[in-house]
Amino acid sequence: EVQLLESGGGLVQPGGSLRLSCVASGFTFSDYAMSWVRQAPGKGPEWVSAISRSGDSTYYIGSVKGRFVISRDNSKNTLYLQMSSLSADDTAVYYCAKDPIYGGRFDDWGQGTLVTVSS
Amino acid sequence: DIQMTQSPFSLSASVGDRLTITCRVSQNIRTYLNWYQQKPGKAPRLLIYAASHLQSGVPSRFSGSGSGTDFTLTISFLQPEDFATYYCQQTFNTLWAFGQGTKVEVK
Repeated sequence: EVQLLESGGGLVQPGGSLRLSCVASGFTFSDYAMSWVRQAPGKGPEWVSAISRSGDSTYYIGSVKGRFVISRDNSKNTLYLQMSSLSADDTAVYYCAKDPIYGGRFDDWGQGTLVTVSS
Repeated sequence: DIQMTQSPFSLSASVGDRLTITCRVSQNIRTYLNWYQQKPGKAPRLLIYAASHLQSGVPSRFSGSGSGTDFTLTISFLQPEDFATYYCQQTFNTLWAFGQGTKVEVK
């Protein structure tokens, strides 16, 4: 059974930083691209960032470029999102999602971790 | 940016109904469109990929059609577990944006 378990969310002040993690199990992690997708309260999902199977290719939505860094450690079956210069607009549940084609097809998701940016 | 417009914004339906949800896209995206279902407090679930392909494990009452700029998700015989919010998502470019959602509620 595929499992994706996010952690690292919490309350952070504006301008602060946070690192999210997503531990994968139940599939061969290095065979899949991965993404982070967030969902602000009462809003639809918003794709944030993607990383290729090997980690040599990454994409970001414009609003997080230069502030967020996606990475992965295939030896630890773990995906990361380093977030900095956070603002209230970044408040959301952050999901990691598995992508079999590195083309935005998210066929498995974690349960999400809540990031709240507030003073 | 590619703009996506789902309709209706919400609808009320009964078990057994046939539903159609529409997603209109601002430019030709061929069949680079997915559909997801989301229930409150849960992550989205992939239903349909590449406009018309049923994801493994998804009941056959769900179907997708369309290409170019107009797409539909059809639920042929609504079941109690289908009351949820449905999102389309374009994957034509690497912004991979989602529509605003269609909430299916109990009539």
